[in-house]
Amino acid sequence: NAGVMQNPRHLVRRRGQEARLRCSPMKGHSHVYWYRQLPEEGLKFMVYLQKENIIDESGMPKERFSAEFPKEGPSILRIQQVVRGDSAAYFCASSRWAGDTQYFGPGTRLTVL
Amino acid sequence: AQTVTQSQPEMSVQEAETVTLSCTYDTSESDYYLFWYKQPPSRQMILVIRQEAYKQQNATENRFSVNFQKAAKSFSLKISDSQLGDAAMYFCAGRDNDMRFGAGTRLTVKP
Repeated sequence: NAGVMQNPRHLVRRRGQEARLRCSPMKGHSHVYWYRQLPEEGLKFMVYLQKENIIDESGMPKERFSAEFPKEGPSILRIQQVVRGDSAAYFCASSRWAGDTQYFGPGTRLTVL
Repeated sequence: AQTVTQSQPEMSVQEAETVTLSCTYDTSESDYYLFWYKQPPSRQMILVIRQEAYKQQNATENRFSVNFQKAAKSFSLKISDSQLGDAAMYFCAGRDNDMRFGAGTRLTVKP
């Protein structure tokens, strides 16, 4: 059973470009969570999605950030007009149901030049 | 919402010895879960152990065990017979309506 998959593992963007991060949950998992980890810090919750629905986006910045989890395909975290402060590791996790254990992907390290 | 606090930024243990990592949490919910995750240099987040709040018995996974003190809102992780591969960042996390992580404890294992 493949784990949570994220791609790309590393992404370099220049200021003002767009970043798209992808997450494929574990088989049988319909709940997806995105977290951001700044250097030497813990994970900060960003958004929680089920198929085609955003359940909780209380951790998402109000501008430039969006997330989706379509009926088919991976979940996408999209950052428009990236700035240097967006440089971080972005982790995706998935679970079978809302209260179940979350299993994490390997993360995408975004570097903004 | 809740808070999770890890007061030890760094800890060190001799190989084969035992070490305890501290974590406190605060939640107003009666139904919640607590977790310890390990993050080695590869940055992968690996689940170490999970505790359901309604269970009085402390969770155990091989060399890893927790001391869950519900009244004190304490959830410490004990690593017995420490191995070099245990060296990593350890994050305590709690989940009620959402998931919150502590700031982490960096564990060094000395040979």
